[in-house]
Amino acid sequence: DAGVTQTPRHEVAEKGQTIILKCEPVSGHNDLFWYRQTKIQGLELLSYFRSKSLMEDGGAFKDRFKAEMLNSSFSTLKIQPTEPKDSAVYLCASSLLGGRLGEQYFGPGTRLTVL
Amino acid sequence: QQKVQQSPESLIVPEGGMASLNCTSSDRNVDYFWWYRQHSGKSPKMLMSIFSNGEKEEGRFTVHLNKASLHTSLHIRDSQPSDSALYLCAAWAGNTGKLIFGLGTTLQVQP
Repeated sequence: DAGVTQTPRHEVAEKGQTIILKCEPVSGHNDLFWYRQTKIQGLELLSYFRSKSLMEDGGAFKDRFKAEMLNSSFSTLKIQPTEPKDSAVYLCASSLLGGRLGEQYFGPGTRLTVL
Repeated sequence: QQKVQQSPESLIVPEGGMASLNCTSSDRNVDYFWWYRQHSGKSPKMLMSIFSNGEKEEGRFTVHLNKASLHTSLHIRDSQPSDSALYLCAAWAGNTGKLIFGLGTTLQVQP
């Protein structure tokens, strides 16, 4: 079985640009999470979908970050406009409703650098 | 303030030694604790979970939980260089359906 896939693996953007990150969850998984990881803040939840419905939109990240689940097997995270402080690793994770609570499978991540 | 606090921030142990990592949550709604391991340049991977008071052992790894104090600890015996990684503690609260991660403990096992 394929795990969580994310593209691109690396992205370099100029300040003010729009970037779109992509994620394909594990086939059959119902929950999908977008996280941002930095050394200072650790893993921060950006968005959370259950069966394509948005359950959490990340509060403080709402203004420039927008996640969408176009179908059960594909999600995007748009950052518009990008700022240098957005430089981080963006991780997508999925889990199975009815599986072990809190059991999440992570993708390899996208490393974003904003100049 | 982080809802999930981990200590120490970093830890160095000799190969073959015992590593002990701690984690406490300030959220009384926590039902489960998870330990995830993240090797450098890789994504987090599930290691162990615990939701009952007491301990759980899997090979060289033992997890303890005290639900009254919402404190969990991970102990790695006979540590190997391949155990060198960032260890993330995560708390799962049923009322939110999501995991809250701590900042992690960086473990370095020296050959």
